Amino acid sequence: QVQLVQSGAEVKKPGSSVRVSCKAFGGTFSSYSISWVRQAPGQGPEWMGRIIPLLDISNYAQKFQGRVTITADKSTTTAYMALSSLRSEDTAVYYCAAQYCSGVNCPNYFDHWGQGTLVTVSS
Amino acid sequence: DIRMTQSPSTLSASVGDRVTITCRASQSVSNWLAWYQQKPGEAPKLLIYEASNLKSEVPSRFSGSGSGTEFTLTISGLQPDDFATYYCQQYNSYSPPCTFGQGTKLEIK
Repeated sequence: QVQLVQSGAEVKKPGSSVRVSCKAFGGTFSSYSISWVRQAPGQGPEWMGRIIPLLDISNYAQKFQGRVTITADKSTTTAYMALSSLRSEDTAVYYCAAQYCSGVNCPNYFDHWGQGTLVTVSS
Repeated sequence: DIRMTQSPSTLSASVGDRVTITCRASQSVSNWLAWYQQKPGEAPKLLIYEASNLKSEVPSRFSGSGSGTEFTLTISGLQPDDFATYYCQQYNSYSPPCTFGQGTKLEIK
């Protein structure tokens, strides 16, 4: 069973960038896809994108295209999510979430979640 | 994007009750539907995938049904630990993107 541990809370200025990390413990890192899901206060979760480390392929939600970059370092079993041009509406808890892949088929629901990282965007 | 609409937004019930939450998709998602439970300050927890498959270790009082555009989550015999917010998610088999419903808050009556 994989366990995901995320980096700590961040406070950022509008227009800046943030990078959140997600380290996987246990399991086999390359057997999972890692997605990033954010949740604004009082709102439902929102999928941002994912990476399949085995293939080093990333996909992004259209809403975040050009502003988000998801990467993975297999040597340290860590995934990263970078979000640029931050605005106040980006204030949210950001989660990484993993799902076991059968070969290269990775169902896009989420069995394992990190603890969440609060990103606050404020001037 | 496929829009997911849950009803009701809030549900009041008592321990021991049987409750049903509905999730409707703006277009068919076949059976590619998951349900999550979330408590304040915690990450969502997967309960059900592929509309009706119970994740291992999830109590059998939880069940899911439906296909196409209409789905239900039923909790039979509510326990105190079940009071939480529930979300549905469509995930289009193995390909992104995916979308979540806006949530149903289950409160103690």
